Amino acid sequence: AQRVTQPEKLLSVFKGAPVELKCNYSYSGSPELFWYVQYSRQRLQLLLRHISRESIKGFTADLNKGETSFHLKKPFAQEEDSAMYYCALLDGGATNKLIFGTGTLLAVQP
Amino acid sequence: NAGVTQTPKFQVLKTGQSMTLQCAQDMNHEYMSWYRQDPGMGLRLIHYSVGAGITDQGEVPNGYNVSRSTTEDFPLRLLSAAPSQTSVYFCASRRPGLGIQYFGAGTRLSVL
Repeated sequence: AQRVTQPEKLLSVFKGAPVELKCNYSYSGSPELFWYVQYSRQRLQLLLRHISRESIKGFTADLNKGETSFHLKKPFAQEEDSAMYYCALLDGGATNKLIFGTGTLLAVQP
Repeated sequence: NAGVTQTPKFQVLKTGQSMTLQCAQDMNHEYMSWYRQDPGMGLRLIHYSVGAGITDQGEVPNGYNVSRSTTEDFPLRLLSAAPSQTSVYFCASRRPGLGIQYFGAGTRLSVL
């Protein structure tokens, strides 16, 4: 079954430290993966998607098909990065659902 | 540039009351979804629709009804509210086949 796993509910780092938010997936086929972010009291919004291979706000994510992972990384965390991060997988089958992980709350301490 | 609009922003209900959460989008998206967000549970899909007149259940549909009479609107009805339905509800829309989804601002619902 298609599934997205984010093993950490909370990740706390200090400002300037590297950040890695983990995401693993289970999907039979070629996956299309995304990271969404929700800042405090704001709506969820797309952060980045793997097919565009871009860096947004200093964040990058590489799809590793061998490890079935799509971890989100940033070399130097900023306080404004504090937010809830969701990894998501697009099910290309009949339902075409967007399947979300349970989310990781990133807290960047000053 | 309204995007996805949800009303109300906040609501308090008593157990057993019914209500409708409204969702409208102005991007002509065929695909619309309702999620609930609970601490530690992430986003869970309640119902979704791939177009006007077509709806289907997500992973937590019990206690909720939906309809899709137009492309723009996708209301979520709570038939008889229960405390377990206390949550934040998000509506979202996108084009089919694309994972770029646009979310509403959410409705914070408390059921006493």
